[in-house]
Amino acid sequence: DTAVSQTPKYLVTQMGNDKSIKCEQNLGHDTMYWYKQDSKKFLKIMFSYNNKELIINETVPNRFSPKSPDKAHLNLHINSLELGDSAVYFCASSQDWGGARALHFGNGTRLTVT
Amino acid sequence: QQQVKQSPQSLIVQKGGISIINCAYENTAFDYFPWYQQFPGKGPALLIAIRPDVSEKKEGRFTISFNKSAKQFSLHIMDSQPGDSATYFCAASFQSGTYKYIFGTGTRLKVLA
Repeated sequence: DTAVSQTPKYLVTQMGNDKSIKCEQNLGHDTMYWYKQDSKKFLKIMFSYNNKELIINETVPNRFSPKSPDKAHLNLHINSLELGDSAVYFCASSQDWGGARALHFGNGTRLTVT
Repeated sequence: QQQVKQSPQSLIVQKGGISIINCAYENTAFDYFPWYQQFPGKGPALLIAIRPDVSEKKEGRFTISFNKSAKQFSLHIMDSQPGDSATYFCAASFQSGTYKYIFGTGTRLKVLA
């Protein structure tokens, strides 16, 4: 009964490849996010979707494209991977009404680009 | 103006001691201040949160102190335990369309047995 689940947990790939990370939440939340955590543990928002609509796009290269087929899923596709894309990517969700605002994170996908 | 400054970067505390992590913000639009705890290989998990109309919130051994005039808030972990060893993030949130969260840079806490 994992609340926010991401796959895969680890992703090792070569520069120039295209890869996808999938995320699903079973909390019934309306908003989903992608965060990037670098080697120094900094957490930075990349995207936010509310009911399948893109709300936040924080100066992320066009090589990153989120897709939300429904409000329970938010996938991240990355084209032409670069060394600097190596990081841990976290999916999260939140409910933006009723006073409940906490972010619920998945356990992350560690992307290593070689 | 949307930054949240967190200190210290790392902290070592003896078992049973008090761990204190501080955060400061500038944007007065922030209206929700959560703390997250992250263990290695896991995602951050909500620990405790406070709204600016309250000066203190306590849940078990964890307390948030909030100083609205100084734009500062802190996490106190009483009777720190080795199991508390983790990275702690403060955050601040405000509503702009949807809710936006700005995270501090994290504090790596180690509690010695």
